[in-house]
Amino acid sequence: EAQVTQNPRYLITVTGKKLTVTCSQNMNHEYMSWYRQDPGLGLRQIYYSMNVEVTDKGDVPEGYKVSRKEKRNFPLILESPSPNQTSLYFCASISGGTDTQYFGPGTRLTVL
Amino acid sequence: GENVEQHPSTLSVQEGDSAVIKCTYSDSASNYFPWYKQELGKRPQLIIDIRSNVGEKKDQRIAVTLNKTAKHFSLHITETQPEDSAVYFCAATSGGGADGLTFGKGTHLIIQP
Repeated sequence: EAQVTQNPRYLITVTGKKLTVTCSQNMNHEYMSWYRQDPGLGLRQIYYSMNVEVTDKGDVPEGYKVSRKEKRNFPLILESPSPNQTSLYFCASISGGTDTQYFGPGTRLTVL
Repeated sequence: GENVEQHPSTLSVQEGDSAVIKCTYSDSASNYFPWYKQELGKRPQLIIDIRSNVGEKKDQRIAVTLNKTAKHFSLHITETQPEDSAVYFCAATSGGGADGLTFGKGTHLIIQP
């Protein structure tokens, strides 16, 4: 079954404690992307990746890092989380043939 | 960069009536316009999309229209049903979707019984 998985699904942490949200897809897609969703703001792109070792900033990259060492995985790293990074995060994997974005189930992050 | 405006932010319609959600975009190079439906607590799901070489596309009760000259596109849902209640997002990109999408802020569609 084609799917995008994210872990953890829920996380409560404290300011400054490094964390990683993992994202994995089994569709062999080259393109992957991270979004954050905040009430009234819709979904905003954080980073995207066009292939292994190729990443670029989206609209709201400040405070985030990503890596793409393997095609299937695209982790989101918060080196020093702050309360304004409390949000719902979605990873997406994109079919190069149809441009359809397949979203993961989401990770709800709370930074105290 | 691209900017997508979506209206209205909330739309309440009677069951069986039609609903229309409108979006405008700023980048004339944008060529791919998907619509996503997000139910409470769930991930966005693609419901229909349109490319810049097409003016209209239909899928059962859902249709999307695109006016490239005016840089706006709309989602039309006919014969609305309770399960249509959700938040709907429009999006646009000039990268064919692969570089990521710029989303509108969403429309909360409420179907009144």
